[in-house]
Amino acid sequence: AQSVTQPDIHITVSEGASLELRCNYSYGATPYLFWYVQSPGQGLQLLLKYFSGDTLVQGIKGFEAEFKRSQSSFNLRKPSVHWSDAAEYFCAVGALSGGSNYKLTFGKGTLLTVNP
Amino acid sequence: DTEVTQTPKHLVMGMTNKKSLKCEQHMGHRAMYWYKQKAKKPPELMFVYSYEKLSINESVPSRFSPECPNSSLLNLHLHALQPEDSALYLCASSPGARAYEQYFGPGTRLTVT
Repeated sequence: AQSVTQPDIHITVSEGASLELRCNYSYGATPYLFWYVQSPGQGLQLLLKYFSGDTLVQGIKGFEAEFKRSQSSFNLRKPSVHWSDAAEYFCAVGALSGGSNYKLTFGKGTLLTVNP
Repeated sequence: DTEVTQTPKHLVMGMTNKKSLKCEQHMGHRAMYWYKQKAKKPPELMFVYSYEKLSINESVPSRFSPECPNSSLLNLHLHALQPEDSALYLCASSPGARAYEQYFGPGTRLTVT
C-alpha cells in the first residue's frame, strides 16, 4: 500500500524568504503526486501535480515541485514567501489500491507560519 | 470553471436528527468523493462514486448514506450521528475515478450535539 510522509509538522519562515516543504512517498510503481493547500476552515486547493515527463513541475501561486524517483521525494518550493501563503500544506499520492480502485493518500500535513 | 460547491456551510444537528449535505459540480466530471476531516488531520476518504455508481465505501457506518442522483450532484444523508462525527465534510470531483487530480469544495462544518 502507498504512504506519504511529511517530516515537518510545522515550519515558520519570514516573509520574503524561500520555502521548501518536504514530502516522501512509498509506492511500488510510478505514482501520481499532488500538493494541496488548505486555509483554516476551507477546502483543499490543488497547487500542482506530477503524472509523468518533466520532473520539475510548476503550479499556481509561484510554487514548484521536483520529483526525484531515486529519493522517493516530491518537495514543494517557493522562492519568496508571502504572508498569504500561511496555511496547511498536504502532499498526496494517487495510486491503485485493492485492485481497480484509485485513491488519494495524504500526508499528515505541514503547517506553514509566515512572520512579517 | 473548477468549482465544487457545497451546502450548507455549517450544520448543527442533534443525535436524533436527519439531515443531508449537498455537493454540486458542473465541470462534467464523472467521479465524485466524500471525505471527512477532523481538526489538524488530513482528509479521510469515505465514499467514491464513479459514473453515478458507488465504487468505494471505506467501511463507513450506515448512519452515513451517500446518494448520487445524477452526474453533477452528490448527497450525504445523515441520521443518528454521534458527537464524534463532528468534522469538516469535504466533497471532491475528478474527470474520472482513476489517475486524475481531484477538485475540492469548501466543505460543510458539521457539529453533532
